[in-house]
Amino acid sequence: KQEVTQIPAALSVPEGENLVLNCSFTDSAIYNLQWFRQDPGKGLTSLLLIQSSQREQTSGRLNASLDKSSGRSTLYIAASQPGDSATYLCAVSGDSWGKLQFGAGTQVVVTP
Amino acid sequence: DAGVTQSPTHLIKTRGQQVTLRCSPKSGHDTVSWYQQALGQGPQFIFQYYEEEERQRGNFPDRFSGHQFPNYSSELNVNALWLGDSALYLCASSFSGRYGEAFFGQGTRLTVV
Repeated sequence: KQEVTQIPAALSVPEGENLVLNCSFTDSAIYNLQWFRQDPGKGLTSLLLIQSSQREQTSGRLNASLDKSSGRSTLYIAASQPGDSATYLCAVSGDSWGKLQFGAGTQVVVTP
Repeated sequence: DAGVTQSPTHLIKTRGQQVTLRCSPKSGHDTVSWYQQALGQGPQFIFQYYEEEERQRGNFPDRFSGHQFPNYSSELNVNALWLGDSALYLCASSFSGRYGEAFFGQGTRLTVV
């Protein structure tokens, strides 16, 4: 059974610092991995999708890496801003149908 | 292009009642999945609909049922509500032919009293 873990559960950084968020999964037979952002009481916003054959994906200040063999993904956010404050969730899918297994998320606070 | 839309955004129900939540997928998407998110936790997969059939189901009781319509929109029904069903219910849509990338709606906050 796939288990997804995100450590730490919460993180506070001063504005301008780079953020490093970690995600680990127990079964390396994944189809893809997605990173999402969630603001309080809101839905999920897709940030990056990494297919199992890829090592990383980039979008603006965001970069996500994937190491399937070690069961890890890392989301980097460069030069953090107060607007980056949110909960970040990673999720893995075992097939192309898109059923996702989520971690519990990392709550990020960026202080001005 | 409208994204995934869910209705209603909030509702309050009494224990024992039944509720129906609705979801319209992103344009071009043919697959709809439903998730339940309790406070402070990651979303849990309820079930997925494709071609008007339930294709996959998570570890949820039969009180949770759904439907997909020919226009790909979907409903989630929950019978015999109890306090533990209070949660944010999220709908996600995807296209069967594109890597399984999921897009989520804003969610429906259900409170059972």
